[in-house]
Amino acid sequence: AQSVTQPDIHITVSEGASLELRCNYSYGATPYLFWYVQSPGQGLQLLLKYFSGDTLVQGIKGFEAEFKRSQSSFNLRKPSVHWSDAAEYFCAVGGGSYIPTFGRGTSLIVHP
Amino acid sequence: DADVTQTPRNRITKTGKRIMLECSQTKGHDRMYWYRQDPGLGLRLIYYSFDVKDINKGEISDGYSVSRQAQAKFSLSLESAIPNQTALYFCATSAPGTRGEKLFFGSGTQLSVL
Repeated sequence: AQSVTQPDIHITVSEGASLELRCNYSYGATPYLFWYVQSPGQGLQLLLKYFSGDTLVQGIKGFEAEFKRSQSSFNLRKPSVHWSDAAEYFCAVGGGSYIPTFGRGTSLIVHP
Repeated sequence: DADVTQTPRNRITKTGKRIMLECSQTKGHDRMYWYRQDPGLGLRLIYYSFDVKDINKGEISDGYSVSRQAQAKFSLSLESAIPNQTALYFCATSAPGTRGEKLFFGSGTQLSVL
């Protein structure tokens, strides 16, 4: 069965600092990996996705993620965080069923 | 207008009541999903439907039922609500594809069962 682990429940960063949110997955074949963001009072919005090819994936809002098969990881990064990035971030893994399984989420807090 | 619309946005109900959450979409997608979100637990799949005649249980379907009235409408019912069904409920849609579909989410329904 597919699964996702987001080891950090909360992450606090200062505005302008770099960010890395961790995601580890379990899947028996080549996974399809996603990062979604949930702003307060909103539904989830796709930031980026990985299917194959280049392991460094660029997304919206200046985010990127790197797929590392050897570590079963798909960490999300941003070089300089803005206050508007404060939100809940979800990693998800999909595959043959095409129905993604979501991690528990990481809440990002941005200090001015 | 939103592509995926959920009604109501908020609902407070009492234990034992029947309640229906509605979802409609204008994206023309065949696939629709219901998830619930609980703090610290992420999103868990309740039911999904790949077309009007196809309904499937997700990982936490007990206590819930669904109806796919049309391609654009997918309703979630709680036949007899209980307090541990208090959660944020999301409807989502996707278009069938060959590789890892993107989900489009509604804004959610916050349900409180007293």
